Amino acid sequence: AQKITQTQPGMFVQEKEAVTLDCTYDTSDPSYGLFWYKQPSSGEMIFLIYQGSYDQQNATEGRYSLNFQKARKSANLVISASQLGDSAMYFCAMREEGGYSTLTFGKGTMLLVSP
Amino acid sequence: ETGVTQTPRHLVMGMTNKKSLKCEQHLGHNAMYWYKQSAKKPLELMFVYNFKEQTENNSVPSRFSPECPNSSHLFLHLHTLQPEDSALYLCASSQKGQGLTGELFFGEGSRLTVL
Repeated sequence: AQKITQTQPGMFVQEKEAVTLDCTYDTSDPSYGLFWYKQPSSGEMIFLIYQGSYDQQNATEGRYSLNFQKARKSANLVISASQLGDSAMYFCAMREEGGYSTLTFGKGTMLLVSP
Repeated sequence: ETGVTQTPRHLVMGMTNKKSLKCEQHLGHNAMYWYKQSAKKPLELMFVYNFKEQTENNSVPSRFSPECPNSSHLFLHLHTLQPEDSALYLCASSQKGQGLTGELFFGEGSRLTVL
């Protein structure tokens, strides 16, 4: 079974609008971390935001926020005020307590921002 | 400029060739990783090195041979590859000991094409 599921292969959004990228996860560990990465066409994976399973509040980093719903096992990324430079692949990833150092990634969502 | 540098950025090789991918991190991290990114698939973890010691090998075929001479350098030696090995190979580093929160820092990847 997949540990990270991203159900949206592609998303379109107009500049300046907000967009939500979905991510659900599967783990039996009580302690885990969730990450979002952005991959532009250059190939580099850029870290965006982190949410710990015991964090009481949703993580925010500038225009990025993570809508963490623990009971539903979802960790959706919200990008506010989209910019043309936000066009990229976005990956959700998880580190489980037992996995210690490694991240497990989803298949990704391609986001296209139009003028 | 990324703290993780990968060379070459693009590589085309025949099935009988021997080549190597190189990764160098300038972040003072003590863990390094090789990931394989194929089209429409999640990133696949290949190898993990902690303090120059290989700690994970995710059932990777022996035609891929990693080498970590020190904590700043990581190589992936390629020999007798198959066309299905064509992919983007991403190197990453992190600082172990940060528990769940330490993110991975990625290079821009080496795009490999096997003819």
